Amino acid sequence: DAGVTQSPTHLIKTRGQQVTLRCSPKSGHDTVSWYQQALGQGPQFIFQYYEEEERQRGNFPDRFSGHQFPNYSSELNVNALLLGDSALYLCASSTAATMTGTGNQPQHFGDGTRLSIL
Amino acid sequence: QKEVEQNSGPLSVPEGAIASLNCTYSDRVSQSFFWYRQYSGKSPELIMSIYSNGDKEDGRFTAQLNKASQYVSLLIRDSQPSDSATYLCAVMDGYSTLTFGKGTMLLVSP
Repeated sequence: DAGVTQSPTHLIKTRGQQVTLRCSPKSGHDTVSWYQQALGQGPQFIFQYYEEEERQRGNFPDRFSGHQFPNYSSELNVNALLLGDSALYLCASSTAATMTGTGNQPQHFGDGTRLSIL
Repeated sequence: QKEVEQNSGPLSVPEGAIASLNCTYSDRVSQSFFWYRQYSGKSPELIMSIYSNGDKEDGRFTAQLNKASQYVSLLIRDSQPSDSATYLCAVMDGYSTLTFGKGTMLLVSP
């Protein structure tokens, strides 16, 4: 049973460029969340996708955008890269919360994409 | 602003001892609580989840939750050098988003 898979593993970009990171959720999961983890910090929530729509968003600028596909896989796009965007980008998948918005399903993380901005 | 506070450590314990990791959170409506283990250069790995007040045991791990005090803890019995890692406390709100602490580094010496 494949877990959460992310690609690429590592990426080096320069300031001002754009990047796309990809995630395939664990089998049976339909909700994908993205997190940014800077060195020495805990992961910070970027946004969450369910049924191909952004359901929740953290405190990140519009340069960060995403997409979810019908097969539940997801992409994270970052435009106009800044040095401060250098971090480990983590994708986590889970099963859907209930329609009332409550949910307590554990999230399982992929191995992450380490993004370095020069 | 939701906050999750952890002592950054490092917490040093000898092999075979009990390691006690603590976490406090600010959002009273938080519903679910998780502990993740993260080895250096790796991604977080879920080790425990707890949803109601009291203790939950899984092998050498025990999670404790006190919602009135907004406090979560993780006990690791018979600590092993392989337990050396950063332990992240995470709190989930009603919208299934996680807020993490900065993590506590645990060092278990042989």
